[in-house]
Amino acid sequence: GDSVTQMEGPVTLSEEAFLTINCTYTATGYPSLFWYVQYPGEGLQLLLKATKADDKGSNKGFEATYRKETTSFHLEKGSVQVSDSAVYFCALNANQGGKLIFGQGTELSVKP
Amino acid sequence: DAGITQSPRHKVTETGTPVTLRCHQTENHRYMYWYRQDPGHGLRLIHYSYGVKDTDKGEVSDGYSVSRSKTEDFLLTLESATSSQTSVYFCAISEKQGASVTEAFFGQGTRLTVV
Repeated sequence: GDSVTQMEGPVTLSEEAFLTINCTYTATGYPSLFWYVQYPGEGLQLLLKATKADDKGSNKGFEATYRKETTSFHLEKGSVQVSDSAVYFCALNANQGGKLIFGQGTELSVKP
Repeated sequence: DAGITQSPRHKVTETGTPVTLRCHQTENHRYMYWYRQDPGHGLRLIHYSYGVKDTDKGEVSDGYSVSRSKTEDFLLTLESATSSQTSVYFCAISEKQGASVTEAFFGQGTRLTVV
């Protein structure tokens, strides 16, 4: 079945460091791919998305490119801030009634 | 922010009691979902609905039932709560867009503790 695998956390970085969180997926067909972010005590918010191969999603300095050849959707940011500390979830939607399948989440902690 | 309200936000209940969580949306979206979030598991789908009175099971549906009698409300019931159902529960909504479905919007979550 469809699945998403994320790099395990927690990830601890210093402010202004470069961030990469790896995400790979297994799916039949052509899923849409998402990154969601969850700040402490809150629900999930959509960070960015890509709906077809080679699309690049971007938002708030974060980017991810839909790579069909490597079945990946890695999240990157050039310079993280303390306010980026959160849990990040990679997810796919195989268009089966809109059901999202999530990775296990990666906790990011950014130190000043 | 999408208009999604979950109630209650926190609940402590005893093993063996029935519990109902409510999700209310003001967006008139067709699809509604219940997920649970547990450490190391990400979010797992419990049940979902693709219209009034149309529901289906997700990957972790045992011990849960749902009902959707109106577009705006999606209820999740734990028939007889167990300690393994201690979790944070999230409701989400999405809408059909052409041949696909939009991204999901999430509520704030309900923290349920079964003692």
